[in-house]
Amino acid sequence: KNEVEQSPQNLTAQEGEFITINCSYSVGISALHWLQQHPGGGIVSLFMLSSGKKKHGRLIATINIQEKHSSLHITASHPRDSAVYICAVIPDKLIFGTGTRLQVFP
Amino acid sequence: DVKVTQSSRYLVKRTGEKVFLECVQDMDHENMFWYRQDPGLGLRLIYFSYDVKMKEKGDIPEGYSVSREKKERFSLILESASTNQTSMYLCASRVSGTATANYGYTFGSGTRLTVV
Repeated sequence: KNEVEQSPQNLTAQEGEFITINCSYSVGISALHWLQQHPGGGIVSLFMLSSGKKKHGRLIATINIQEKHSSLHITASHPRDSAVYICAVIPDKLIFGTGTRLQVFP
Repeated sequence: DVKVTQSSRYLVKRTGEKVFLECVQDMDHENMFWYRQDPGLGLRLIYFSYDVKMKEKGDIPEGYSVSREKKERFSLILESASTNQTSMYLCASRVSGTATANYGYTFGSGTRLTVV
């Protein structure tokens, strides 16, 4: 079993929809990254959080350390949000989830 | 704007060639990492370095070596490239320290290597 599980693996949405991507992990961590990867591109860190909630524009990330769970929400989704979203946890080194491929259609 | 720069976005090499992938960061970070990314397997750690001239094996070091002669530069070396090393390679760095705020990673834009 993977130490970091993401769901769903694939997600399609219509422009404007509210999107949630989930991440569950089984190890003790000090922090968690949400990462975004566009096709053929590098990885951008969207959030790094260790408790509570963070918001940046239309993106919101939450984490519950006791339940070992984090969610990434996208409000008013747009086709430019289409990408792979990766959850990565930090016990000592990064452990990555396998990603959620999001496609947003106009 | 702080950066991790990988010297090539796309690279095509022949089997048996010696290949150097270069990564440079301008944030004075102590820790640097090399990952490879493959469909269905996600990102896996090849090697990392926590200081100049220091290196540690990651989860899949076989067939690779690294060099860290200067703090800002971390090189991944494929001594004799093979077709199973065709992959996307990503470099990352972070500052060391135990404070939560110091744990953030910065990633490069990736090098897509094809070995023919």
